[in-house]
Amino acid sequence: GAVVSQHPSWVICKSGTSVKIECRSLDFQATTMFWYRQFPKQSLMLMATSNEGSKATYEQGVEKDKFLINHASLTLSTLTVTSAHPEDSSFYICSAGGGTGKNEQFFGPGTRLTVL
Amino acid sequence: KQEVTQIPAALSVPEGENLVLNCSFTDSAIYNLQWFRQDPGKGLTSLLLIQSSQREQTSGRLNASLDKSSGRSTLYIAASQPGDSATYLCAPGGDKIIFGKGTRLHILP
Repeated sequence: GAVVSQHPSWVICKSGTSVKIECRSLDFQATTMFWYRQFPKQSLMLMATSNEGSKATYEQGVEKDKFLINHASLTLSTLTVTSAHPEDSSFYICSAGGGTGKNEQFFGPGTRLTVL
Repeated sequence: KQEVTQIPAALSVPEGENLVLNCSFTDSAIYNLQWFRQDPGKGLTSLLLIQSSQREQTSGRLNASLDKSSGRSTLYIAASQPGDSATYLCAPGGDKIIFGKGTRLHILP
């Protein structure tokens, strides 16, 4: 199946700093990628839809100025958590569709962010 | 807005039993439905993908069914094993994928 990678797999940062997370589709092109956030013992919550060449679409309640999304190419989307605070600590997962013609989404392995 | 409900929220059964996990969703305008498993602290593992035109899919000991019109899907696990212990997530796929809260499954050795 199609492979999606994320980098880094985990990151620890100080409060107030910004952190960038990369999501790559390794063997297919993805015009749309999705970003999710998962707090401990909770399910995945969709944060935003990342569209190549255009602005991301954010879900209600997600601050677009805090979570900057850039879909620079058909194989790369980045999520930047700006001025991170401890409450932003979470597991961030991306997904990308395409390559199979089945509208199937392929998920990255996730990035665990800890803000001190 | 799609809402996904998974029942039960948690389940503990002895090894070897067959079991059924249930998923219901409110918006039937979906392209497909995926079942995933997630181990603690890990990412998602895709188990089965059912297209909206299909009724079921099978992979090994797993069988998933889809009744799109009624907004229901079930995941059947045969002859459960301790290695099946994980959280199972149902995800109807439309323009977006919305996840249920999952069923935490514990198979007792």
